[in-house]
Amino acid sequence: DIQLTQSPSSLSASVGDRVTITCRASQNILTYLNWYQQKPGRAPDLLIYDSSSLQSGVPSRFSGSGSGTDFNLTINTLESEDFATYYCQQSYTTRWTFGQGTKVEIK
Amino acid sequence: QVHLEQSGTEVKKPGASVKVSCKTSGFTFTGYYIHWVRQAPGQGLEWMGRIHPHSGGTNYAEKFEGRVSMTRDTSINTAYMELSSLRSDDTAIYFCARDDNTAAAFWGQGTLVTVSS
Repeated sequence: DIQLTQSPSSLSASVGDRVTITCRASQNILTYLNWYQQKPGRAPDLLIYDSSSLQSGVPSRFSGSGSGTDFNLTINTLESEDFATYYCQQSYTTRWTFGQGTKVEIK
Repeated sequence: QVHLEQSGTEVKKPGASVKVSCKTSGFTFTGYYIHWVRQAPGQGLEWMGRIHPHSGGTNYAEKFEGRVSMTRDTSINTAYMELSSLRSDDTAIYFCARDDNTAAAFWGQGTLVTVSS
């Protein structure tokens, strides 16, 4: 199976900060990489698909980039509602896998 | 509007089986893969497998092969995930999700399964 490694595992940031989360795949997955946001007690929400496409309804402060094995999720101008856990997920193979998650906490 | 409604909380003893349902509405059920993902308490997301409701074809994570079965009933637009030989580490929230061009854009609300003697 393809392994996805996110970094950092957690971070502290302030409202207004710019935050970048990295996801590294164990092999080339082209751009078959998605990002989700999850808040406690809720199902995940799709933010970014195909590495850089913004899901409908998602604020434009979220952006994604990368191809091959290295990917980034960037949140420009962090807002209070963005404090949550973020997961990357690959769909290059039939058997999906998720990264271990990055928790974004309030500094 | 697209909606996935899952069955309620389950409490099972070790060694038992559990069957979780995912009733869909607002879209053509047979046109999209349905995936199952679980999340143990305080842990990350774990992909379990998928089913295509049209054909009934399935793919499972290697970890669950032989212990999981995903089925569907197209007459009521519902997908099912059955996990057998339950252990305490199967305690988790189980989610169903619709596959939209290789990403999960729509999710059920989750079903808590607790395995305890």
